[in-house]
Amino acid sequence: GAVVSQHPSWVICKSGTSVKIECRSLDFQATTMFWYRQFPKQSLMLMATSNEGSKATYEQGVEKDKFLINHASLTLSTLTVTSAHPEDSSFYICSAASGVSYNEQFFGPGTRLTVL
Amino acid sequence: SQQGEEDPQALSIQEGENATMNCSYKTSINNLQWYRQNSGRGLVHLILIRSNEREKHSGRLRVTLDTSKKSSSLLITASRAADTASYFCATDGGDSWGKLQFGAGTQVVVTP
Repeated sequence: GAVVSQHPSWVICKSGTSVKIECRSLDFQATTMFWYRQFPKQSLMLMATSNEGSKATYEQGVEKDKFLINHASLTLSTLTVTSAHPEDSSFYICSAASGVSYNEQFFGPGTRLTVL
Repeated sequence: SQQGEEDPQALSIQEGENATMNCSYKTSINNLQWYRQNSGRGLVHLILIRSNEREKHSGRLRVTLDTSKKSSSLLITASRAADTASYFCATDGGDSWGKLQFGAGTQVVVTP
């Protein structure tokens, strides 16, 4: 199946710093990528949808100025958590879908963010 | 917001037994998917069932969908220790093409 990678797999940062997470589709072109957040023992919550070459669409309650998403190419989307605070500590997961079928999304392995 | 409710929240069984978990949703859907997540890892797609399908099989997995009750079930037959994971249903709604809403998940533990 299609492979999606995320980098880094984990990151620890100080409060107030910004953290960038990369999501790459390794063997297919992803016209759409999705970013999710997952708190411990909870489900995935969709944060935003990003389409290559256009602005991301954020879900209600997600601050677009805090969670900057860039989908600059068909294989790369980035999520930048700006001025991170401890409450932003979470597991961030991306998924990618090709234009052929949006029915199946391929998920990255996730990035564990811990803000001290 | 979460679309689906899953039950049970947790399930503990022995190897060889069957595991059944259910998912209910609230709005109309295009399709419903089941995913598996091992602790601290990403999601693995298991099976997709479309709104006009009632049952689907894939290996030891059997999924049913009842759109009149807005519910789905996932059955894992002859479970193995490697099936230990959290299982999530996700729905793709009619007006949110491609956007998945996940259920709360069922944590399954299979003991040897």
